Amino acid sequence: QSALTQPASVAGSPGQSITISCTGSSSDVGGYDFVSWYQQHPDIAPKLIIYDVRERPSGVSNRFSGSKSGNTASLTISGLQAEDEAYYYCYSYARSSTFVVFGGGTKLTVL
Amino acid sequence: QITLKESGPTLLKPTQTLTLTCTFSGFSLSTSGVGVGWIRQPPGQALEWLALIYWNDDKRYSPSLKTRLTITKDTSKNQVVLIMTNLDPVDTATYFCARGFGSGYYLSGFNYWGQGTLVTVPS
Repeated sequence: QSALTQPASVAGSPGQSITISCTGSSSDVGGYDFVSWYQQHPDIAPKLIIYDVRERPSGVSNRFSGSKSGNTASLTISGLQAEDEAYYYCYSYARSSTFVVFGGGTKLTVL
Repeated sequence: QITLKESGPTLLKPTQTLTLTCTFSGFSLSTSGVGVGWIRQPPGQALEWLALIYWNDDKRYSPSLKTRLTITKDTSKNQVVLIMTNLDPVDTATYFCARGFGSGYYLSGFNYWGQGTLVTVPS
């Protein structure tokens, strides 16, 4: 069982917006602004798309945005495109010996 | 250009020891704030962080696997090695190494990843 809770799946039509939640605790998501999100297509390594809650690495589309409220972080993808269909994982820095936690992953289906 | 690549055995038996090497280029593991970590992913399952070594040789381990893991670095060779002892079929997974970044010891995440290597431990 992963330390961060994500919905197993979400779906949306091309052009729509979707939001994926990532719920942790005050020891990780709620306690630090070191939340990141990763996109993973089948049989390919994860790709960083959001870090420090809302920052986008160079080259990542501005259709991807991040936010956080309390112990829950969120990834929003606007203007859905077929190429966005993938798994998405959240990550958080965590207190003391836990150090790092990932979410269980969310499968995004573009209808 | 930053690249990382994992290497090591692909098939091992239960109770054996796994040694994986991450060879990287395009950055130095002697730069403050930089680390290299290992993350694994069993087939069809989620990512699981295993270990990380910082630029100053400080190390962090997953609490659930700490007794079985050792991470080391060779800065001159641009390599990081992960050793996992007493393998079990549940350790079957793709193992990734990745560059960690952040502010000091606060790890913002992993911004570059290797392609991963599948390690199989048959039952």
